[in-house]
Amino acid sequence: AQSVSQHNHHVILSEAASLELGCNYSYGGTVNLFWYVQYPGQHLQLLLKYFSGDPLVKGIKGFEAEFIKSKFSFNLRKPSVQWSDTAEYFCAVNARGSQGNLIFGKGTKLSVKP
Amino acid sequence: GAVVSQHPSWVICKSGTSVKIECRSLDFQATTMFWYRQFPKQSLMLMATSNEGSKATYEQGVEKDKFLINHASLTLSTLTVTSAHPEDSSFYICSARVSPGAPLHFGNGTRLTVT
Repeated sequence: AQSVSQHNHHVILSEAASLELGCNYSYGGTVNLFWYVQYPGQHLQLLLKYFSGDPLVKGIKGFEAEFIKSKFSFNLRKPSVQWSDTAEYFCAVNARGSQGNLIFGKGTKLSVKP
Repeated sequence: GAVVSQHPSWVICKSGTSVKIECRSLDFQATTMFWYRQFPKQSLMLMATSNEGSKATYEQGVEKDKFLINHASLTLSTLTVTSAHPEDSSFYICSARVSPGAPLHFGNGTRLTVT
């Protein structure tokens, strides 16, 4: 069965620290990959997505993610976090050619200390 | 392009009433729409898959009679939470796609609070 693993449940960083959130999936076929963010009290927002092409994807607010097919990974990165990045981050995978069941990781809560 | 509009973005209702949530694909025809629910501190869980013109396919554990899904056209699917209870309070989100294997596009979600 397909699954998505986000390695960290809660990450605490100071402002200006670099961020990397891990995401691994288990699926042997071709996938579409997503990172979503949910700021406190707000709705889910798409950060970035990978469908094909350049495996290094740049999203909004300075985030980027790199798809490494050999490692089944799609880690999210940001060189320097801000307090406003405090939120919950979800990695999601959609197996292409399937019924489209989007599989989400359990999320990583990021707390940035001012 | 590929915008999915979900309405309302938030709603508060009283226990026992019904609430309808709409999911519209604004610039494409969505043969399939999906409805998800987010439980506190958990990831989104798929509730049901809705194919235009046919009955929705519900995931195990989701009450069909409580969460009514209609996909009457290629651009609109609705989720009706019937006889809502406080435990139905949650974040509901839809996604849509043109065809199998096509990218999914998400609505912004609906925060439902049942008092």
